[in-house]
Amino acid sequence: RKEVEQDPGPFNVPEGATVAFNCTYSNSASQSFFWYRQDCRKEPKLLMSVYSSGNEDGRFTAQLNRASQYISLLIRDSKLSDSATYLCVVIKGSYIPTFGRGTSLIVHP
Amino acid sequence: NAGVTQTPKFQVLKTGQSMTLQCAQDMNHNSMYWYRQDPGMGLRLIYYSASEGTTDKGEVPNGYNVSRLNKREFSLRLESAAPSQTSVYFCASSESWDDGYTFGSGTRLTVV
Repeated sequence: RKEVEQDPGPFNVPEGATVAFNCTYSNSASQSFFWYRQDCRKEPKLLMSVYSSGNEDGRFTAQLNRASQYISLLIRDSKLSDSATYLCVVIKGSYIPTFGRGTSLIVHP
Repeated sequence: NAGVTQTPKFQVLKTGQSMTLQCAQDMNHNSMYWYRQDPGMGLRLIYYSASEGTTDKGEVPNGYNVSRLNKREFSLRLESAAPSQTSVYFCASSESWDDGYTFGSGTRLTVV
């Protein structure tokens, strides 16, 4: 099993839809979790941290399920501008983070 | 506030040539990182520097060397470039190991 796994997609959704991505991780000792967004041929940008209690930022909600070892990202009311690749990052308590390979989202009119 | 600045943005090298990728951050971050990103492989850590004066190997360090010149600057050197090093290279920084990273805009390197 890979350390961090994401469904590569693409997820094709219409504007206004709700879409959710999961990211599973294999090391139960993992301590910190993040979601990044990467536009085509651009650098990744931090979207949000993922806390044990879950967190929300506008239309975006991130959750952590330690028992099942996955994090999730929910996007409500999708916009065309949400089209991007979403990367999850898992850190085990060292300086070596592990990036997932990303989930591609395409929002169409 | 520039964040993380990488130079050059594009580079073509011949096999066997050497070059240094430069990275500087102006956020007073302690930690800096070099990643490479290849299609289908995701981001892989080459080297990192937890703090000024220290460097450590990441997942794919072979063929690379780094220098943490001061708190601001972290350079990546390819001593003898190989076609397998064709990739997009990203530098990143963070306040500490469990903080989110700020990435530079990347260097697209082609080795022919």
